[in-house]
Amino acid sequence: QLQLQESGPGLVKPSETLSLTCTVSGGSISSNNYYWGWIRQPPGKGLEWIGNIYYTGGTYYNPSLKSRLTISVHTSKIQFSLRLSSVTAADTAVYFCARSYFEYSNSGLSTWFDYWGQGTLVTVSS
Amino acid sequence: SYELTQPPSVSVSPGQTARITCSGDALPKQYAYWYQQKPGQAPVVVIYKDTGRPSGIPERFSGSSSGTTVTLTISGVQAEDEADYYCQSADSSGTYVFGTGTKVTVL
Repeated sequence: QLQLQESGPGLVKPSETLSLTCTVSGGSISSNNYYWGWIRQPPGKGLEWIGNIYYTGGTYYNPSLKSRLTISVHTSKIQFSLRLSSVTAADTAVYFCARSYFEYSNSGLSTWFDYWGQGTLVTVSS
Repeated sequence: SYELTQPPSVSVSPGQTARITCSGDALPKQYAYWYQQKPGQAPVVVIYKDTGRPSGIPERFSGSSSGTTVTLTISGVQAEDEADYYCQSADSSGTYVFGTGTKVTVL
């Protein structure tokens, strides 16, 4: 059974960089047809897609976060990471890592998140 | 980027049918997916590619699509279905969007 686990600091100061790692177990990060992604959820609010990465390193970012965002993959460690710079209180959220299955067909791209980590709360505060 | 709009809340009595809509201009060209999220838990997909139901998801969950609106239907609602529900879609460039979310309350 595939499992994902987020790790990283729970408290980050304003203007600093938020860094999280997702460790994958029970499966290979180097699989075809899967993206590895980050989603966040501010307290009491809805889900926001942050970005995805393919095991070869190709990235897909939320346009609203792109200027501050770096997602990287470490296939040998079966991990992928998130770095979000110049954080403010608005970046306070539960951050989830997840696997996204994808396929292309005549109908276009089909893709959804099928496995999720439990989520980790990151608070931005001085 | 585009938006997916859902009603903030839906209330339903046990055994009745709950319908949750998700509207977006891009939906006629893109598949939609539905997630259930209970408090303190990660979301779980309940419908994929508009109408597909993953293994392990009860048959009372179904999806449909018409034009710019997709609908999640929960037939014979049970107390355990009380949760937040989110639709999601993605464009051909690999950009994802989640809907605004709907809280389903079982009366």
